[in-house]
Amino acid sequence: LAKTTQPISMDSYEGQEVNITCSHNNIATNDYITWYQQFPSQGPRFIIQGYKTKVTNEVASLFIPADRKSSTLSLPRVSLSDTAVYYCLPDTGRRALTFGSGTRLQVQP
Amino acid sequence: EAGVTQFPSHSVIEKGQTVTLRCDPISGHDNLYWYRRVMGKEIKFLLHFVKESKQDESGMPNNRFLAERTGGTYSTLKVQPAELEDSGVYFCASSPRPMDANYGYTFGSGTRLTVV
Repeated sequence: LAKTTQPISMDSYEGQEVNITCSHNNIATNDYITWYQQFPSQGPRFIIQGYKTKVTNEVASLFIPADRKSSTLSLPRVSLSDTAVYYCLPDTGRRALTFGSGTRLQVQP
Repeated sequence: EAGVTQFPSHSVIEKGQTVTLRCDPISGHDNLYWYRRVMGKEIKFLLHFVKESKQDESGMPNNRFLAERTGGTYSTLKVQPAELEDSGVYFCASSPRPMDANYGYTFGSGTRLTVV
């Protein structure tokens, strides 16, 4: 299974753009990259998924370079409610997810 | 549509007692997963159902844990007898088959189990 490496924590201010980068050097050919968000006392929540290049939805953008050895989750104009833990996860859609420690994002006023 | 529902939200039991956790997945989702987070640790996979069949139970810690999914609908996870190290948050997740790339897996809010 591909091992992922993310920053342990990040700080930001309201209104700023936040970019969280994840390294996955040995990602498998059939793995997608998915990102989940988790608030305290809740289960992880799916944010976005991509395979290559750029994917955008109403919540975030995901940038994956051609070599797929890393990915960057971009959160535009964060608010206090974006304070959470963000997980980068390789996923084939056919097996269980392997969670790492994630990135704890703290958004301040 | 209703999300993944887990019951109870909290449970405090004594060591040696039995506890049964329940998960109601999103209707029509064939895949059902159980995960667990022990205090201070990462979320770990326990097992995976496809409909009523156990697809992968490699994450089950020992034979004190028994998971069932009769009829391929809701699932139960029984811990008998409970030990102190079983304390943690138990999450359930479901997904259609094949998984929808736009929605990923849907997780429940978890059951916080405390064994004293």
